[in-house]
Amino acid sequence: KAGVTQTPRYLIKTRGQQVTLSCSPISGHRSVSWYQQTPGQGLQFLFEYFSETQRNKGNFPGRFSGRQFSNSRSEMNVSTLELGDSALYLCASSISPGVAEQYFGPGTRLTVT
Amino acid sequence: GQQVMQIPQYQHVQEGEDFTTYCNSSTTLSNIQWYKQRPGGHPVFLIQLVKSGEVKKQKRLTFQFGEAKKNSSLHITATQTTDVGTYFCAGPSNTGKLIFGQGTTLQVKP
Repeated sequence: KAGVTQTPRYLIKTRGQQVTLSCSPISGHRSVSWYQQTPGQGLQFLFEYFSETQRNKGNFPGRFSGRQFSNSRSEMNVSTLELGDSALYLCASSISPGVAEQYFGPGTRLTVT
Repeated sequence: GQQVMQIPQYQHVQEGEDFTTYCNSSTTLSNIQWYKQRPGGHPVFLIQLVKSGEVKKQKRLTFQFGEAKKNSSLHITATQTTDVGTYFCAGPSNTGKLIFGQGTTLQVKP
C-alpha cells in the first residue's frame, strides 16, 4: 500500500507570497492532519480534516487555511508568508479521527526568504 | 491550555547503555502514543497505551503509562546506533487533536 505523499518536497518563497501544499493520504484513510515542525517549537498541530470537514484547528493565524476534497486529498494554504513560516510541514493520515496510528508523509520543507 | 512535556530534551549515550525519556501531561489522557523520527525523516508510530499502569514491550523498548494516566515513559535497553532519532510522545486533547511533546533527541556513540 502506498504511503502518504506530499508535494512539493521543497519550496522556496519570498515574504508576502502565498503557498499551497498538497497531501495525498493512504488509500482508505479519510482523516488528514497537518503539523508544522520547527527546531524551536517541535510539532505544532495546524488542523484536522475528516470527510471534507475541519474537525479541529490549532492556534495559528488565519493566514493558515486548509481544505479536504471528496477523495480525501488535502491542501493547506499559507498566505502573506512571513520569515517565521519557514518550517517542515507534515501531513498525517489515519483511517478515522481518534484512531491512534497516524501515518506521516515525508513533509514539505518551506523556506521563506 | 493542555501541555505535554518531555524530558530530557537531549541525551547522549554510549552504545550499550540504557536510555529513558519521560512524558508528562498537564491533564489526564485517554491514551498516550509514541513516535520515532529518524534524522531527516518523518515521525513513525511506535505504540499506543490506553490503560492505567499499562506496560508494553517491543524488543528492547519498554513503554509505560502512569497510574494517573498523566505520565508515560519509554525505556530502551542496551541502545544501538539504530536507535538514534527523536522520540515523541503525544496525547489527545479534550477536542481530539493530538498534542505532541517537544521530543527527546537520542544520540548513540558507537
